[in-house]
Amino acid sequence: EAGVAQSPRYKIIEKRQSVAFWCNPISGHATLYWYQQILGQGPKLLIQFQNNGVVDDSQLPKDRFSAERLKGVDSTLKIQPAKLEDSAVYLCASSLVNDRGGEQYFGPGTRLTVT
Amino acid sequence: GNSVTQMEGPVTLSEEAFLTINCTYTATGYPSLFWYVQYPGEGLQLLLKATKADDKGSNKGFEATYRKETTSFHLEKGSVQVSDSAVYFCALSGSGGSNYKLTFGKGTLLTVNP
Repeated sequence: EAGVAQSPRYKIIEKRQSVAFWCNPISGHATLYWYQQILGQGPKLLIQFQNNGVVDDSQLPKDRFSAERLKGVDSTLKIQPAKLEDSAVYLCASSLVNDRGGEQYFGPGTRLTVT
Repeated sequence: GNSVTQMEGPVTLSEEAFLTINCTYTATGYPSLFWYVQYPGEGLQLLLKATKADDKGSNKGFEATYRKETTSFHLEKGSVQVSDSAVYFCALSGSGGSNYKLTFGKGTLLTVNP
């Protein structure tokens, strides 16, 4: 079974530029998550989708970040314009079910550097 | 809100040493507890979990017991190997509503020397 795919793996941009990340979850997984992991910290949830719908985006900086999950499969996360503090690893995860014991499967992440 | 506090690293051990990484949590209700591991150059993967009080999760020689009275989920291994070198994250899953997002600790870097 293929895992969670993410691209690109690395991205370097200048501040005020825009960037987009792509995620393809494990086939059949209804729930998709985007996390931000700043160096030296644990991942922090940015947004959670259940199929096409948003379950939680309370920690998403909506003035600059946006995300969509068309057709309940692939997802994209966009930052526009980027700030220096957005430098981090962006992790996509998916799970088969949305429950308290459900395992989340993580992709390899996209390392973003904003200069 | 929910939070996880885990032992600060880095932790450096010799092969075959005993490992403990402490983890305590704050949460309402009855969360599920997890340990995730991130090997160098790889993504996060689930190491073990426990979904109710007194449950013990175990995998690859690692163990952790869900202690509600002390709000703890400490990770232990009796004899570590060089291949266990990684970053370990303690996490909890929310205890209600429609969102079972993971709340992570800051991670503990473990290095095992031959």
